[in-house]
Amino acid sequence: GESVGLHLPTLSVQEGDNSIINCAYSNSASDYFIWYKQESGKGPQFIIDIRSNMDKRQGQRVTVLLNKTVKHLSLQIAATQPGDSAVYFCAENSNYQLIWGAGTKLIIKP
Amino acid sequence: DAEITQSPRHKITETGRQVTLACHQTWNHNNMFWYRQDLGHGLRLIHYSYGVHDTNKGEVSDGYSVSRSNTEDLPLTLESAASSQTSVYFCASSEIAKNIQYFGAGTRLSVL
Repeated sequence: GESVGLHLPTLSVQEGDNSIINCAYSNSASDYFIWYKQESGKGPQFIIDIRSNMDKRQGQRVTVLLNKTVKHLSLQIAATQPGDSAVYFCAENSNYQLIWGAGTKLIIKP
Repeated sequence: DAEITQSPRHKITETGRQVTLACHQTWNHNNMFWYRQDLGHGLRLIHYSYGVHDTNKGEVSDGYSVSRSNTEDLPLTLESAASSQTSVYFCASSEIAKNIQYFGAGTRLSVL
């Protein structure tokens, strides 16, 4: 069946460094992927998305890379800040429903 | 500003009671979703709706029901609450034929 998973449940990064959060997916037919950020006590918040006809997409301080060959997705956060502390989820689209990974907790070290 | 609100934010109930969680969005979105979030499972889809009077079962629908009588609201009902339904519940909405979902702040439910 379809599944989306993350390689690392927790990631600790020094403030100012770049963060890379990884995600694997199993459905090679998925055509759309999305990243969400969830801060403590809040609902998930959309960060960035990418379609399968793209390899890379950039936003403000964030970049998503898609490698369809190995069914891998990554979220890169440049110059990580304390406000980036959160759990990050990747999800893939299936008929306008989202199939979610378990999440990666990003911890920022001062 | 348009938004999506959930109520209550916290709820404690007893096993066997019926509980209803409210979700109200002012974006005029056709699509609405209910998820539960448990540690280690991410978000799991309970029920969803693509429009008024449309409801569909998700991955973990047993013990839950929804109804969609208007565009703005999708209440989630636990018919007979069980301890296994202790969780954080999130409601989300999206535009028709769009993938980006917008989430409420969540309801933390404890079933004792």
